[in-house]
Amino acid sequence: DAGITQSPRHKVTETGTPVTLRCHQTENHRYMYWYRQDPGHGLRLIHYSYGVKDTDKGEVSDGYSVSRSKTEDFLLTLESATSSQTSVYFCAIRGGGSYNEQFFGPGTRLTVL
Amino acid sequence: AQSVTQLGSHVSVSEGALVLLRCNYSSSVPPYLFWYVQYPNQGLQLLLKYTTGATLVKGINGFEAEFKKSETSFHLTKPSAHMSDAAEYFCAVSAQSRRGGNKLTFGTGTQLKVEL
Repeated sequence: DAGITQSPRHKVTETGTPVTLRCHQTENHRYMYWYRQDPGHGLRLIHYSYGVKDTDKGEVSDGYSVSRSKTEDFLLTLESATSSQTSVYFCAIRGGGSYNEQFFGPGTRLTVL
Repeated sequence: AQSVTQLGSHVSVSEGALVLLRCNYSSSVPPYLFWYVQYPNQGLQLLLKYTTGATLVKGINGFEAEFKKSETSFHLTKPSAHMSDAAEYFCAVSAQSRRGGNKLTFGTGTQLKVEL
């Protein structure tokens, strides 16, 4: 158990509203990631963080922003949600080993109506 | 750029039969390769990983995978399927990012169904 929690676990919102998803970890890992999972696409990287206040874009970052003001929390924000952002969102951390394996949270299912 | 191809979005086997899930990768550098499993309504769980050294990698739940550089493959196998193996399986390749952390590129997944 990598000590990762995500909140909320489920959310339904309407097009145009802002949404923030939270990822919280308890083990002081430096690297954190946000992915989205969609049928037929597997998981795709949205943004990642390599330290407090240090973030970078992934392959599907348009329409998303992130923030990391402390080590344990990594926030994903949809400034103005669209139906194409309906998805399951997973947070991950890079483990402490030397082989770059990542460990995943339980996911947040977001529906944008 | 890295990429992963998983052949077969759905695979069905009988209980007790061999499980073979296929993964081919593309990487410009020696890859780190991973298999993850996802049970319904859960996050991804690491099954096994290839880094360097032995090309046959053993993982949890009786799964193993063989790294074949000449074929750019990392197929997942299990000698005898169990009903509890029914899940979605993802192959992933790791690339070092310019910021020091790694990025995972995933395949599109293979849904494994196990029938009595």
